Amino acid sequence: EAQVTQNPRYLITVTGKKLTVTCSQNMNHEYMSWYRQDPGLGLRQIYYSMNVEVTDKGDVPEGYKVSRKEKRNFPLILESPSPNQTSLYFCASSSTGGGGYTFGSGTRLTVV
Amino acid sequence: AQSVTQLDSQVPVFEEAPVELRCNYSSSVSVYLFWYVQYPNQGLQLLLKYLSGSTLVKGINGFEAEFNKSQTSFHLRKPSVHISDTAEYFCAVMAKRGAQKLVFGQGTRLTINP
Repeated sequence: EAQVTQNPRYLITVTGKKLTVTCSQNMNHEYMSWYRQDPGLGLRQIYYSMNVEVTDKGDVPEGYKVSRKEKRNFPLILESPSPNQTSLYFCASSSTGGGGYTFGSGTRLTVV
Repeated sequence: AQSVTQLDSQVPVFEEAPVELRCNYSSSVSVYLFWYVQYPNQGLQLLLKYLSGSTLVKGINGFEAEFNKSQTSFHLRKPSVHISDTAEYFCAVMAKRGAQKLVFGQGTRLTINP
């Protein structure tokens, strides 16, 4: 089944403790992206990647890092999480040509 | 840059009534247009998309949307809603050239009452 897999689904952590949210897709898509969803703000792009070793900032990149060492994986790294990063995070992937993104099931992160 | 405005944050309707969720966008370049649905505690699912050609596009679950270039709108419609359509709906745009960046509206919460 074609899908984007994120882990974990739920995570509670403390301020300053580094964490990684994993994302993997099995569709051989070139594009991958991370979004955060907050009430009243819709979804905002954090980072995106156009292919292996090619990444760029989205609209809200502060406090986040990404890497794209393999085509299928695009982990999101929070080096020093803060409470304002409490949010619902989505990973998504897309092929070229306007096919639209396929989204993962989401990771609900709480930073206390 | 692109921006998307969903004109209603909440839309309550009765079951079997028609519904329209409104979406306007702004862009200086040609765009693709999308509607996504998010059911409670789930990820986003693509409802339909407009890439080119006929301005009326049909999607899953009986939804359709009409692209109006002059009004820069892409409103979503369903002639008769069901309780199971209760969800949040997001309109999004993506520039046809350049980075494949989806820009979302703020979302419209559709509530179906029996």
